[in-house]
Amino acid sequence: GESVGLHLPTLSVQEGDNSIINCAYSNSASDYFIWYKQESGKGPQFIIDIRSNMDKRQGQRVTVLLNKTVKHLSLQIAATQPGDSAVYFCAETPNYGQNFVFGPGTRLSVLP
Amino acid sequence: GAVVSQHPSRVICKSGTSVKIECRSLDFQATTMFWYRQFPKQSLMLMATSNEGSKATYEQGVEKDKFLINHASLTLSTLTVTSAHPEDSSFYICSARVLGQGNTEAFFGQGTRLTVV
Repeated sequence: GESVGLHLPTLSVQEGDNSIINCAYSNSASDYFIWYKQESGKGPQFIIDIRSNMDKRQGQRVTVLLNKTVKHLSLQIAATQPGDSAVYFCAETPNYGQNFVFGPGTRLSVLP
Repeated sequence: GAVVSQHPSRVICKSGTSVKIECRSLDFQATTMFWYRQFPKQSLMLMATSNEGSKATYEQGVEKDKFLINHASLTLSTLTVTSAHPEDSSFYICSARVLGQGNTEAFFGQGTRLTVV
């Protein structure tokens, strides 16, 4: 997602298809990354994390890929379900114990 | 996993009044908690870092006299929006990390929807 402000990028996928959500991060010193899911009116929920010494990590139906060369993070969701509809944020942290910096977010809309 | 509880979840207040939002870590101690603000269709923006037993660190552009943060114990941080105005209406979210265990995820509260009328 590249836009900020009032217009969240939106990704629409058919139920059952795979989803890929992308994120470009800015700080080359960041060494820990998380994908969060946020449903309307709720706080962010942890999905999956990855450390900078890895380039891929898999969870249940989700995979995170990290490309440090181009500072790019992606979240892949397999067999997307209606319950996956939400806004997804990538978050990075450059220093141990410090806060996370959030990307602009991508709204995932699952079509029946 | 660790739980962060935020209260209230929703509050409506009149202009000029103050509102206090609580953030509690329920099953772990958090020496540091973070307060974020989120406007509609936007990302989370860090307002301040709350350190137990010391003054909070505010991000540039955030008025420390308007957004008072108190972190009196290892499980409780509060954010008080003083003399609230309609432009303060937003979604406020706190988070905490379990430190001392290497890089770990941040646990978030449920958020507080503040509406100033």
